[in-house]
Amino acid sequence: DAKTTQPPSMDCAEGRAANLPCNHSTISGNEYVYWYRQIHSQGPQYIIHGLKNNETNEMASLIITEDRKSSTLILPHATLRDTAVYYCIVINRGSGNTGKLIFGQGTTLQVKP
Amino acid sequence: DVKVTQSSRYLVKRTGEKVFLECVQDMDHENMFWYRQDPGLGLRLIYFSYDVKMKEKGDIPEGYSVSREKKERFSLILESASTNQTSMYLCASSSSSGGAGELFFGEGSRLTVL
Repeated sequence: DAKTTQPPSMDCAEGRAANLPCNHSTISGNEYVYWYRQIHSQGPQYIIHGLKNNETNEMASLIITEDRKSSTLILPHATLRDTAVYYCIVINRGSGNTGKLIFGQGTTLQVKP
Repeated sequence: DVKVTQSSRYLVKRTGEKVFLECVQDMDHENMFWYRQDPGLGLRLIYFSYDVKMKEKGDIPEGYSVSREKKERFSLILESASTNQTSMYLCASSSSSGGAGELFFGEGSRLTVL
């Protein structure tokens, strides 16, 4: 699976959009981009994933560049409860892969009042 | 609501004790995982299982064993606990038919070995 690079920390004002970048320049054609977050003292929580098209769900939007070498997770209206560590993970969903994920250090997002 | 339940949120054990960490999922998932999480090291995979009675070593299996006698239950066993096994332990499950990268995690078990 391709390696990802994320900034170690970011701040965001409450109510504003939080844009979390991820670099995955060695991603291959059948690898997906997944995002998780981990609120303090809880287990990680799945947020969203995508292959090459932009995706949106009730939690967030995922923008993947055309060359797929980077992506951005967008929390449109950040709240204090969005303060967490956000992990960007690249995974091959081909046959034989049953979801063994490699979590890096992630980005610590601090939402401030 | 889908759920992964870990038996204990906090445990304190002594060096040399045998420790059982239990995990149960109610989603009929085929795959189950045990991770440990330590400051500065992130999440590291200990063991995982694709099916009942099957197990595979992850990245750091030394000092651990696992048991999966029923589909919904995956146990992590520390045969003789040591202080360097003090950590947060996270159980997760996923479906083979659904998204291979979509894991559902439990709340975690924080183990302290004295």
